[in-house]
Amino acid sequence: EDKVVQSPLSLVVHEGDTVTLNCSYEVTNFRSLLWYKQEKKAPTFLFMLTSSGIEKKSGRLSSILDKKELFSILNITATQTGDSAVYLCAVGGSGGSNYKLTFGKGTLLTVNP
Amino acid sequence: DVKVTQSSRYLVKRTGEKVFLECVQDMDHENMFWYRQDPGLGLRLIYFSYDVKMKEKGDIPEGYSVSREKKERFSLILESASTNQTSMYLCASNTGPIGYTFGSGTRLTVV
Repeated sequence: EDKVVQSPLSLVVHEGDTVTLNCSYEVTNFRSLLWYKQEKKAPTFLFMLTSSGIEKKSGRLSSILDKKELFSILNITATQTGDSAVYLCAVGGSGGSNYKLTFGKGTLLTVNP
Repeated sequence: DVKVTQSSRYLVKRTGEKVFLECVQDMDHENMFWYRQDPGLGLRLIYFSYDVKMKEKGDIPEGYSVSREKKERFSLILESASTNQTSMYLCASNTGPIGYTFGSGTRLTVV
């Protein structure tokens, strides 16, 4: 059974802090790892990672994948209150068109002013 | 942009009712999925479909069924709603090994 474990489950920081969110996984026939941000509605896409060691970056957010050690991290620098959300890690596995995502439980990030 | 539309944002139903949650996508995606999301449990896959009239059980199919008569529409059916099915239900679609596009979610309360 595919498994995704995120840590920490929740985190409270002050504006301006840097945070690192962790995601480890076990999945059959790994295809990709994705990060989503979820506020009070549906998750919105942040990054998709398929290759080890290549950092993806978008503004203050960045992410990297280690396929040997089976984990990924999501970094957020200079946090703002608008970064408060649940961050979801998901891993896609299986072959051909049989592609589906298994999600972790999420990390609830609270950024205080 | 791909759009995934869920017919209701909020729904309140009585125990024992048959409930239909509808999901429609407009980008000809082959794959469609239903998840439920609960605090502390994350997103759990209920059912998914790779083609019209095809369906596969996810991790928690008990108490649910699905229907996919047309490519763009994937319906989740609660045959006899129970209070433990109170949850946020998310529909998603994709094509190939890429991420999902999610609908806006339906928050179902069963009383």
